Parts: sequence; structure tokens; C-alpha cells
Amino acid sequence: EIQLQESGPGLVKPSQSLSLTCSVTGYTITSGYDWSWIRKFPGNKMEWMGYISYSGSTNYNPSLKSRISITRDTSKNQFFLQLNSVTTEDTATYYCARGGGSDYWGQGVMVTVSS
Amino acid sequence: DIQMTQSPPSLSASLGDKVTITCQASQNINKYIAWYQQKPGKAPRQLIRYTSTLVSGTPSRFSGSGSGRDYSFSISNVESEDIASYYCLQYDNLPRTFGGGTKLELK
Repeated sequence: EIQLQESGPGLVKPSQSLSLTCSVTGYTITSGYDWSWIRKFPGNKMEWMGYISYSGSTNYNPSLKSRISITRDTSKNQFFLQLNSVTTEDTATYYCARGGGSDYWGQGVMVTVSS
Repeated sequence: DIQMTQSPPSLSASLGDKVTITCQASQNINKYIAWYQQKPGKAPRQLIRYTSTLVSGTPSRFSGSGSGRDYSFSISNVESEDIASYYCLQYDNLPRTFGGGTKLELK
């Protein structure tokens, strides 16, 4: 069974970086698909943030392009999100997901940006 | 970016009703739309992909249709376990974009 699990700090200070990990079991991230980060804001708007493909290429939402980086550790079957210079507007629940149609999702991690 | 206009934002239904949610894209998305169900505190669950293909485990009371810019998602015979929020996602173009969501409540 394919499972994704996000982890990382639940509280980040403004102007700092947000770093999250997505651990994948049941499927090797280099075997196929792209691997996305998606967030859901308070008020329920959802935003696709970007992906890293099975080959290691990345694609980011232009709204975040200057602040986001998605990387991976293939030895651990994990991929990572780094979002720089966060503000309170980055407060959201962050999800990792598989594929263009996002068929499998993690449970999500709530991140609050606050001093 | 492709804008996905989802309506209605909320919906009140009785058990056994049929309900329909629509998503209109700002341009043709070539049927690359998925529908998700989300319950509080849970991850979104994909129900339908590529407009009308039911994902394994999705009950047959769920259905999807559409083409071009206009798509719909229906639940026939609403059950209590269907009370949740529903979202559409277009994955034809990058950046992928979501509809604003529909909250389904019991009347």
C-alpha cells in the first residue's frame, strides 16, 4: 500500500524558512510519477506549490518561484519542501501527494507562521 | 493560470437526494479533472480522475462528466458518510489549480 507522510515543525517565525519532509512507503519515488506539495489555507483555498519528478526535475508554481525549493533523497525515498522568507500568509496545512492527478496524499501537517 | 470556478460553495441535501457540483475552467482542460472528498482533519481522497473514471473503491453513486471547460460531479442517493467538502483539480496545465470547494451538509 502506498503511503505518504509529512513531517516538520508546526511553528515557524516570520522571515524564516519552512522545511518539510515527505516520506513515501510502498512505492519508489524514482520509479515514476511526479511528487507534489500542496497546501490548504484557513478558509479552505487549496494551492498546488510544485513537484519533483521521478527523474529529479522540478516545476514550481510561479506564485512561489522565488521562494520554493523541492529536493529529494532517493536513498531514503523522501522528498522535501523548503519555503523561504515565510509570512503569516504561509500559514496552512501542507500536504504531499503523488502524480499529476494527485491520487495518493499524506495526512497533512499544519504549519503556523507566527512570532 | 487556469481558473477553476466551482459551484455552489455549499450545498444542503437530505439523505437519498442527488446533488451536483460544477467546475468551470477558464480554458479547455481536455478532461484532465479530478474530484476529491475531504473530511475534517483528513487528507483529500481522490474519487474520480480524468473527468469520469472512478478510482478503485469509489462507490458507484459518485459520477463525473464534462468536456472542454465545463465539468460536473454528482452524488446520487446521498448517504451520511458523504457529508464532507468536495474539490475539483485541473491537471491539464501547470500550475495545477483547484476549485474553491463545496461543503455538503445534511438538510
